[in-house]
Amino acid sequence: GAVVSQHPSRVICKSGTSVKIECRSLDFQATTMFWYRQFPKKSLMLMATSNEGSKATYEQGVEKDKFLINHASLTLSTLTVTSAHPEDSSFYICSARDLAGGIIGDTQYFGPGTRLTVL
Amino acid sequence: AQTVTQSQPEMSVQEAETVTLSCTYDTSENNYYLFWYKQPPSRQMILVIRQEAYKQQNATENRFSVNFQKAAKSFSLKISDSQLGDTAMYFCAFMKRKKSSGDKLTFGTGTRLAVRP
Repeated sequence: GAVVSQHPSRVICKSGTSVKIECRSLDFQATTMFWYRQFPKKSLMLMATSNEGSKATYEQGVEKDKFLINHASLTLSTLTVTSAHPEDSSFYICSARDLAGGIIGDTQYFGPGTRLTVL
Repeated sequence: AQTVTQSQPEMSVQEAETVTLSCTYDTSENNYYLFWYKQPPSRQMILVIRQEAYKQQNATENRFSVNFQKAAKSFSLKISDSQLGDTAMYFCAFMKRKKSSGDKLTFGTGTRLAVRP
């Protein structure tokens, strides 16, 4: 149980184009999903918190117009990197929380990540 | 704000031996969760074990156990009978148990564990 998928796993794009990354909870419903960015050999940096049916909450220093987040259903959140530039190249990871209560509902389950390379 | 400190950037252990990864945290909260996640070379974050702060009993999951010392704000992970598949980066994480603002995980910087054959 508690499986989260991400698509695509790898993407290479040209500078100036937009890229959409999908995050799906496969066997549970998730009211809250999170988007992280991870640089090589570093810890995860939270970019934004996504709640189903409402606007995402962005962390300080994250450009909301550049990283568009949509959480249209209880099983799907998308991150769109708009007008991508080489400095946006990174490993992006999503996570989701189950609707269940208690520690099960408060545990984040992670997707396998998406490696974005902007040329 | 909460902070999580993992003071061991790298650790190494012989296969079948036991290793302990340390984690300390700083918080003024009384109600919270603590987690250990592993990130193998595939980079998939995998939940290893979780602990509710109000529970005094240390959590155990097969070969993985924690030593939770609430007063000392310490949350170490013990891996028994280490296996080659345990080779990974291990992250300690903290989360407040408040619905209004407590959803975020605060991660430590990680400990890279290598299991030697």
